[in-house]
Amino acid sequence: DIVMTQSPDSLAVSLGERATINCKSSQSVLHTSNRNNYLGWYQQKPGQPPKLLIYWASTRESGVPDRFSGSGSGTDFTLTISSLQAEDVAVYYCQQYYSTPPTFGRGTKLEIK
Amino acid sequence: QVDLQQSGPRLVKPSQTLSLTCAISGDSVSNKSAAWNWVRLSPSRGLEWLGRSYLRTNWYNDYAVLVKSRITINPDTSRNQFSLQLTSVTPEDTAVYFCARGRSVPGASGLGPFDYWGQGALVTVSS
Repeated sequence: DIVMTQSPDSLAVSLGERATINCKSSQSVLHTSNRNNYLGWYQQKPGQPPKLLIYWASTRESGVPDRFSGSGSGTDFTLTISSLQAEDVAVYYCQQYYSTPPTFGRGTKLEIK
Repeated sequence: QVDLQQSGPRLVKPSQTLSLTCAISGDSVSNKSAAWNWVRLSPSRGLEWLGRSYLRTNWYNDYAVLVKSRITINPDTSRNQFSLQLTSVTPEDTAVYFCARGRSVPGASGLGPFDYWGQGALVTVSS
């Protein structure tokens, strides 16, 4: 199975500041023939299911604010929130869907400083 | 808009069978561009994919190795829903269970990110 490792486990950022979350996969999730990274990011708020934010490592899901962006390739990926808003307090997960089973990181808890 | 509504008992006794159903609206369980998944969340294991069912030329199932001997996911085309059965449960199976739709994508596994989720159900295994 591909192991997804996120860092940090938790993060406190001031409103309006940048938040950066990292995700590393134990093997590459880049498909060589189509050059897509099979990597998604999810946001989970308390009492709610996870919500898909980003897929193909950098493509925003419809309706997701443009302050959320994803980058990286191969085994190293980053989710960036450019200007933190109060409603962004949540746990964020990365997931690979390159191979079965799909696997998730352990999550990064984002709070307001 | 796709909506997934979960139902089923929230308390299950050890050694018994956990059963949940996910009713689909706004899509079809027979959609050949989707897969229908069960995922659980627990403090000890985080988000853990359990398995999926999907229709291509035939119906297929994939299951996580950890639960493979105990799990069944069944599509029900007449009711447009799918179900999870997990047998011989222990307290380790206590978790929030989610159903989720996965997109079909080209290449690699062919099965992509989870774009719609049920509301979640905390299932407790206890006598």
